[in-house]
Amino acid sequence: DAKTTQPTSMDCAEGRAANLPCNHSTISGNEYVYWYRQIHSQGPQYIIHGLKNNETNEMASLIITEDRKSSTLILPHATLRDTAVYYCIVRAPMEYGNKLVFGAGTILRVKS
Amino acid sequence: GAVVSQHPSRVICKSGTSVKIECRSLDFQATTMFWYRQFPKQSLMLMATSNEGSKATYEQGVEKDKFLINHASLTLSTLTVTSAHPEDSSFYICSARGIGTYNEQFFGPGTRLTVL
Repeated sequence: DAKTTQPTSMDCAEGRAANLPCNHSTISGNEYVYWYRQIHSQGPQYIIHGLKNNETNEMASLIITEDRKSSTLILPHATLRDTAVYYCIVRAPMEYGNKLVFGAGTILRVKS
Repeated sequence: GAVVSQHPSRVICKSGTSVKIECRSLDFQATTMFWYRQFPKQSLMLMATSNEGSKATYEQGVEKDKFLINHASLTLSTLTVTSAHPEDSSFYICSARGIGTYNEQFFGPGTRLTVL
């Protein structure tokens, strides 16, 4: 699986958009970009995933660059409860039996 | 849908004893289960992958005789830490994957193990 690079930490003001970047310059054509988050002492929570088109759900938006070498997770209106470690993971389709391998992630601190 | 539970949520045991952690998929059948370990301020590290009815596949550096994994049914996997020592104290997280709509990894809430 391709490696990802994320900033170690970021701060965001409550109510503002949080934009979390991820670089995955060695991504292959069939690899998806996944985002999970982990709130302290809990299991990871799925946020969103995409292949090449931008995606949006009730939690966030995922913007993938045209060359697919980087992406940005957007939390449109961050709240204090969004404080967590956010993991960007690149993975081949599940039918190939690949598992999620976690990197260091980005610590997002939402401040009032 | 796609709820994964773990039991117990916390366990404290004496050094040398064995501890069993259960992972259940509550509303789907998990053909594959994954076990992760997370030390304080570190990321999740995959320990092993198991398919229902088959022996688990362990990641490099993980002792299969120390971390026994059983995946005897489509809704239950167990991780037994044998002869636990203080260095085994960690946060253990399971993940389950099914088929169709559930062909993704869904995570449990984790089990905090403390070995005294």
